[in-house]
Amino acid sequence: QLQLRESGPGLVKPSETLSLICDVSGGSVATNDYYWGWVRQAPGKGPEWIGTFFFGGHIYIRPSLTSRGTVSLDTSKNQLSLTLTSVTAADTARYYCVRGLVMDYSYYYYMDVWGKGTSVTVSS
Amino acid sequence: EIVLTQSPATLSLSPGERATVSCRASQSIGSFLAWYQQRPGQAPRLLIYDASNRATDIPARFSGSGSGTDFTLTISSLEPEDFAVYYCQLRSNRPSDFGQGTRLEIK
Repeated sequence: QLQLRESGPGLVKPSETLSLICDVSGGSVATNDYYWGWVRQAPGKGPEWIGTFFFGGHIYIRPSLTSRGTVSLDTSKNQLSLTLTSVTAADTARYYCVRGLVMDYSYYYYMDVWGKGTSVTVSS
Repeated sequence: EIVLTQSPATLSLSPGERATVSCRASQSIGSFLAWYQQRPGQAPRLLIYDASNRATDIPARFSGSGSGTDFTLTISSLEPEDFAVYYCQLRSNRPSDFGQGTRLEIK
């Protein structure tokens, strides 16, 4: 059974860089059937997608985060990573690693596997 | 960009009652709609995809219907563990946002 496990620093200072890792077990990230991504949820808010990586060729970063966010896939380690630079308090959230369905190599659809998430607080 | 609007924002019901949550798309999306449940302190989990197909291990009391622009998630008889927040999400040519959510609370 596919499992996703996020890890990260927990606490990051404003203006610094946040780096998160998602370890994928029970399946390979090198697939053209799914995309891998990050979703975050600020306290009391709904979830929002941050970035996705599709092995078949697409990388998307949320438009409001394109200047700060990077998503990458390491097939040798079976890991997904997220880097977010110049963080502010607005980046305080729980960050989830997800797997989502890709249809016809072009359409992004439901997220069927979620990690438990890792909490990130931006504070000095 | 297609926008999803959920209603109501909050639904107050008692265990055993029937719950109906609506999700409306600003343009037709066929049947490409998914529903998620998020219990307090947990990650969202997929409930329904393609508007009416239950995901793995989802109880039969959950059902989805609709096509085009109007979709409904129905819980036939509420169990205590069903009081949670529900989100809808559509299929798109890039990652899409979730609906704003419907909180199902105990009356």
